[in-house]
Amino acid sequence: DAGVTQSPTHLIKTRGQQVTLRCSPISGHKSVSWYQQVLGQGPQFIFQYYEKEERGRGNFPDRFSARQFPNYSSELNVNALLLGDSALYLCASRTDLNNNYGYTFGSGTRLTVV
Amino acid sequence: QQQVKQSPQSLIVQKGGISIINCAYENTAFDYFPWYQQFPGKGPALLIAIRPDVSEKKEGRFTISFNKSAKQFSLHIMDSQPGDSATYFCAASKGNFNKFYFGSGTKLNVKP
Repeated sequence: DAGVTQSPTHLIKTRGQQVTLRCSPISGHKSVSWYQQVLGQGPQFIFQYYEKEERGRGNFPDRFSARQFPNYSSELNVNALLLGDSALYLCASRTDLNNNYGYTFGSGTRLTVV
Repeated sequence: QQQVKQSPQSLIVQKGGISIINCAYENTAFDYFPWYQQFPGKGPALLIAIRPDVSEKKEGRFTISFNKSAKQFSLHIMDSQPGDSATYFCAASKGNFNKFYFGSGTKLNVKP
């Protein structure tokens, strides 16, 4: 079975630009979460979606937004990029909100802002 | 305020030795404590997890020890192997909200 798929794997953007990151969850997984992992640190929670509805938001500015589609895939959008947005962006999926053990991460999108 | 504090930042262990990584948490409402293993260029992978109603959980060479009164938990890797060389993260979450708070990570290097 395919795991959590994220695209693109690497991305270089200029300050002030906008970026869209994509995530396809494991088949049957209805919940998708996004995390930001700055080099040398642990992942930090950005968003959680379940059944196309936002079910949680971390301490990130409004430049960050996300959505989930009817097929449970998800997009993370970041506007007005800053140098500090350079990080590995991780998507994680699970079958439902109660299933902690089903929390599977993708390999991430490495975003570099120059 | 950092919800989960992890130590040490890095660890060097000889092959066959025991690797021990420690975490401490603040919020007594946390009820799920997983450990993740991350290799370079990959996302974190769930290694083992525990809930606060037990003091220890063992899966193969990996053991979590949990001390509820001290608000601490630790990962023990027995018979450490070079293939265990990776970064390890502890995490905590509460209830059904499922937001994970991660520690800052421990880079483990197991020398052959």
